[in-house]
Amino acid sequence: DAGITQSPRHKVTETGTPVTLRCHQTENHRYMYWYRQDPGHGLRLIHYSYGVKDTDKGEVSDGYSVSRSKTEDFLLTLESATSSQTSVYFCAISPPGTGKEYTFGSGTRLTVV
Amino acid sequence: RKEVEQDPGPFNVPEGATVAFNCTYSNSASQSFFWYRQDCRKEPKLLMSVYSSGNEDGRFTAQLNRASQYISLLIRDSKLSDSATYLCVVNVGASKIIFGSGTRLSIRP
Repeated sequence: DAGITQSPRHKVTETGTPVTLRCHQTENHRYMYWYRQDPGHGLRLIHYSYGVKDTDKGEVSDGYSVSRSKTEDFLLTLESATSSQTSVYFCAISPPGTGKEYTFGSGTRLTVV
Repeated sequence: RKEVEQDPGPFNVPEGATVAFNCTYSNSASQSFFWYRQDCRKEPKLLMSVYSSGNEDGRFTAQLNRASQYISLLIRDSKLSDSATYLCVVNVGASKIIFGSGTRLSIRP
């Protein structure tokens, strides 16, 4: 199916610990995105990347960092996890240009206790 | 005001009914529009793009009204399998895509 996978699928971590989520694509798409989804807020953009080592902040980037050292991998790091970062995290990919379909990974359910 | 607003529902309709959702957007420079479908605990998936001339895909019809800045989704002859959350998506520029919070639809037998 769609060539995008996220890992892990589920994670429980303690407050204050660093956490890294991985997104891997086999579509060779230039654009990759990290979103979080919370009830009442819909999908909110955390960070996105428009190429290797080219990243930019989204609307809810505080407390998160990203890295993209290869076209196929986009990592999201919670530097010091907090309970407010308990959420479902989705990675997405798209070809360049407007009007292009986004393809999402299956999501990572993160619980910070 | 949110950039993209949807009625959260839930809409609870009987099988076979026709149901319509609207979505309003605030940025008049928005360039492209989509409806995504999201099943419970799953990722969003593209349902259909919305073109200025409107478009139809089987039982689904999407319309765009640029003057009033809204898009709509009409589902005819609804099926149990249509139960999902429908996300309105607006692309306001390169790399800026805004998701609505979604409208929950539940089809009852």
